[in-house]
Amino acid sequence: EDQVTQSPEALRLQEGESSSLNCSYTVSGLRGLFWYRQDPGKGPEFLFTLYSAGEEKEKERLKATLTKKESFLHITAPKPEDSATYLCAVQAGFQKLVFGTGTRLLVSP
Amino acid sequence: GAGVSQSPSNKVTEKGKDVELRCDPISGHTALYWYRQRLGQGLEFLIYFQGNSAPDKSGLPSDRFSAERTGESVSTLTIQRTQQEDSAVYLCASSLLGNGNSPLHFGNGTRLTVT
Repeated sequence: EDQVTQSPEALRLQEGESSSLNCSYTVSGLRGLFWYRQDPGKGPEFLFTLYSAGEEKEKERLKATLTKKESFLHITAPKPEDSATYLCAVQAGFQKLVFGTGTRLLVSP
Repeated sequence: GAGVSQSPSNKVTEKGKDVELRCDPISGHTALYWYRQRLGQGLEFLIYFQGNSAPDKSGLPSDRFSAERTGESVSTLTIQRTQQEDSAVYLCASSLLGNGNSPLHFGNGTRLTVT
């Protein structure tokens, strides 16, 4: 069965303090690994899709990377507005998207 | 452009009543998903529609839950005889292809409270 495990569950950073979030996965025939951001009271907002090991994508202060077993979301010099829950999900072909439980990030000024 | 729209945004109902939640996906998206998110927890898969294929209902927690989708448009999630443990945010999402090559776009959910 497809599984996604995210760590840490919660992370508190000072503004400007870079760090990484981890997403470990097991899936048969990965077609896509997705990163989402979720703010309180809102639906998840799409950030990145990664398709194959070695792939990297960047958006502002965020960079996502992928290996055969895990993905990292690197946050460089975070700002308070980066505070949110970050969700990782995997999909194998025409099947349901399986989500991890997320990492709650709090960036203090 | 218009995103995924869900209604109502909030619903308070008494235990034992039936509720119907609506989702309007992005036009042209072939795949539609329902997820449930309990307070402080991750997204729990409920049901997945892909084009004209039979839906994947493997996540529905009991026979009180059902969902329909008309073609590639509106979907409704119905919960019969609601229980307190049904209280959660119900999220709908759609994607262009549904095969892992296109991301899911989520609505803001319906917050269901069963009293």
